[in-house]
Amino acid sequence: DAGVIQSPRHEVTEMGQEVTLRCKLISGHNSLFWYRQTMMRGLELLIYFNNNVPIDDSGMPEDRFSAKMPNASFSTLKIQPSEPRDSAVYFCASTLRTLNTGELFFGEGSRLTVL
Amino acid sequence: AQRVTQPEKLLSVFKGAPVELKCNYSYSGSPELFWYVQYSRQRLQLLLRHISRESIKGFTADLNKGETSFHLKKPFAQEEDSAMYYCALSGGGYQKVTFGTGTKLQVIP
Repeated sequence: DAGVIQSPRHEVTEMGQEVTLRCKLISGHNSLFWYRQTMMRGLELLIYFNNNVPIDDSGMPEDRFSAKMPNASFSTLKIQPSEPRDSAVYFCASTLRTLNTGELFFGEGSRLTVL
Repeated sequence: AQRVTQPEKLLSVFKGAPVELKCNYSYSGSPELFWYVQYSRQRLQLLLRHISRESIKGFTADLNKGETSFHLKKPFAQEEDSAMYYCALSGGGYQKVTFGTGTKLQVIP
């Protein structure tokens, strides 16, 4: 297994443009997390899914952000319209949840720069 | 609400010196605590979790419920320990996993 796969690895866009980040989970995992990493705030949880269902999206900054999980192995995070303050590294992580919290397996991240 | 606090953004120690990375948490129930590490140009990965009570790469962490802390310790720092360290908390099961802001450990040769 290649692990969690994120694309694109780097994205440079202009303010106002739509950005779509993609994440492929590890086969068999049933939970998916999206995090945003910045120097000031570290790793912020944006949203997480269990069995394809969004459970908590309270970390999503505002309505410009949306996330979907159309099937058990794939998720997207969309920002529309993008703003310079959205510049960050976005990580997704997947795990197999049981009674205990399993190890999170992270992707390599998508570095977003909004000019 | 659950919160994880890592008070130090940067910790510099000399090789061979002891290391302690601080982590305090706020959670009303019984938490599961973790340490994750991100080496340069590598993915974030699990270092250890409190329920395993294990030592990984010489690191240990003890959950202190009285002080609501989960500090990461190593008696003798090595250069290869230089990395970004994140403390994380979960309410268990299908709960969310919250991370602290991270501490960059720099081991000086």
